Amino acid sequence: DQQVKQNSPSLSVQEGRISILNCDYTNSMFDYFLWYKKYPAEGPTFLISISSIKDKNEDGRFTVFLNKSAKHLSLHIVPSQPGDSAVYFCAASGVDSNYQLIWGAGTKLIIKP
Amino acid sequence: DTGVSQNPRHKITKRGQNVTFRCDPISEHNRLYWYRQTLGQGPEFLTYFQNEAQLEKSRLLSDRFSAERPKGSFSTLEIQRTEQGDSAMYLCASSLGDSGRRTDTQYFGPGTRLTVL
Repeated sequence: DQQVKQNSPSLSVQEGRISILNCDYTNSMFDYFLWYKKYPAEGPTFLISISSIKDKNEDGRFTVFLNKSAKHLSLHIVPSQPGDSAVYFCAASGVDSNYQLIWGAGTKLIIKP
Repeated sequence: DTGVSQNPRHKITKRGQNVTFRCDPISEHNRLYWYRQTLGQGPEFLTYFQNEAQLEKSRLLSDRFSAERPKGSFSTLEIQRTEQGDSAMYLCASSLGDSGRRTDTQYFGPGTRLTVL
């Protein structure tokens, strides 16, 4: 059972525009959510996180939105840059997972020049 | 470079052989994690150490898998009698966790890609 789902395997966005990556989860006990970015031949790199007590967290060009009622979160990147081309993973944790991270399958973001 | 390092980066072995991977975490980090990632999937949690104590093991970690973290520094992951289904990327991560039971920011190594023929 996939508790964290990223339904778009890939996304192509023009440089300078907004990139929106989506993530859905099924476990209502998740209370902490993270986004990681992964380049080829490297391990995932932490990008941004959000606690369930918030509905938005911003860090520079990156903003994560959390909609608890819909069990949905999204990552917005504005403006998108060529260096943002990578695979983006959504991960979640909570008491049900014993605070271990449960990961989505990833979305490959391609920024077109 | 003070990040997480993993060795070897690639390992090709024949079915039935034993393999061992090493992870060197960021030096001041007390927590260390092992994950497995297969193609098109996100990482799957395998096991977790707090200092030298192995506190959790996933049900994915069969009895052919064993992990150690002697002295709370580097860690090794051994797979005995490898099977073709063990082919995957094995990722190590470390974090600096307090005594609270919450999710830390984990820093990942580049992984060891295992191919079992």
